[in-house]
Amino acid sequence: KQEVTQIPAALSVPEGENLVLNCSFTDSAIYNLQWFRQDPGKGLTSLLLIQSSQREQTSGRLNASLDKSSGRSTLYIAASQPGDSATYLCAVKGYSSASKIIFGSGTRLSIRP
Amino acid sequence: ETGVTQTPRHLVMGMTNKKSLKCEQHLGHNAMYWYKQSAKKPLELMFVYSLEERVENNSVPSRFSPECPNSSHLFLHLHTLQPEDSALYLCASSQDLPRTGLHNEQFFGPGTRLTVL
Repeated sequence: KQEVTQIPAALSVPEGENLVLNCSFTDSAIYNLQWFRQDPGKGLTSLLLIQSSQREQTSGRLNASLDKSSGRSTLYIAASQPGDSATYLCAVKGYSSASKIIFGSGTRLSIRP
Repeated sequence: ETGVTQTPRHLVMGMTNKKSLKCEQHLGHNAMYWYKQSAKKPLELMFVYSLEERVENNSVPSRFSPECPNSSHLFLHLHTLQPEDSALYLCASSQDLPRTGLHNEQFFGPGTRLTVL
């Protein structure tokens, strides 16, 4: 059974710092992994999608990497800004048609001005 | 309208009421999803529709009844809910590879905040 873990649950850093968010999964037979951000009380905004054949994806100041063998993905945020404050979630989809989409509990990020 | 829309944005209902949540996607996708997000719990997938057929039902109580009349619309009919059903209900859509259960990027709506009294 796939389990997705995001540690830490909360993170606070000063503005301008580069930071890394972590996502771990127990079953390496994944089809894709997607990173989202969620502002309080709002829906999820897709940030990056990494297919199982890819090692990383980049969008602006965001870079997501995928290491299936170790069951890890990281989301790197460069030059953090107060507007990056949100909860960041990762979700994993397995390769079999019966496998469910499993979300982590998220990391609540706060960027201090 | 673009993306995925949900109505209403907020809903307060009594335990004996019947209400419906509506989701509409304007992305041309062929799959739609209902998720439940409760405080301090990970997102829970409730239902998946692919090509208007329900392909996944994750042991959701029968007081939640989904309906997918076409690939752009998804409803969640609610009746005799319990206070513990209070949560944010999120709809999403994606482009699935037919009959494989595999999907590409998911796009979410803003959610309906449901409170059951």
